[in-house]
Amino acid sequence: DVHMTQSPSSLSASVGDRVTITCQASQDITVNLNWYHQKPGKAPKLLIFDASNLETGAPSRFSGGGSGTHFSFTISSLQPEDIGTYFCQQYDDLVFTFGGGTKVEI
Amino acid sequence: EVQLVQSGPEVKKPGESLRISCRGSGYNFGIYWINWVRQMPGKGLEWMGQIDPSDSTTHYSPSFQGHVNISADKSISTAYLHLSSLKASDSGIYYCARGREAAARWGQGTLVTVSS
Repeated sequence: DVHMTQSPSSLSASVGDRVTITCQASQDITVNLNWYHQKPGKAPKLLIFDASNLETGAPSRFSGGGSGTHFSFTISSLQPEDIGTYFCQQYDDLVFTFGGGTKVEI
Repeated sequence: EVQLVQSGPEVKKPGESLRISCRGSGYNFGIYWINWVRQMPGKGLEWMGQIDPSDSTTHYSPSFQGHVNISADKSISTAYLHLSSLKASDSGIYYCARGREAAARWGQGTLVTVSS
């Protein structure tokens, strides 16, 4: 099974800061990588699919990159509504796997 | 509007069984896979498995294989998650989510509490 290592597990930043989260896959998953945001008490919401594609309706301050085993997710200018937990998720060989999550605080 | 509406909260005793439902509306239910994801209290997301409602093909996480069963009835646009021999460690929020490779639409979640 593919294992996803996400870092950091938590971070604190200020409004307007650039924030970057990384995910490393245990094997090559090409670009089969998605990013989600979960606000407290809510269901997750898809932000980025196929490593770098912005989901319809997601703000343009969110971006993703990478391929193979190393991936990144960036918030170009952190906003108060961006608090919560971010998860990466890979899909390979008929199985989803989520990263452990990054809790973002302001 | 695309919606996934899940059944309500459940309180069960250890050893009992459980079925959670997820009804889709606002789209052709048969053409999108449905995933089930568990979130234990204060923890991350765990993918349990998925089903293609058009022919009931399923894929399961090795971590949940044998403990859960996923089914669907496309005639009523509903997918189901069946859990058997419940343990306290099965307590958590269970989400259904639509999509084969990326979960772009999610249900509201079903809180399951297993306690004696």
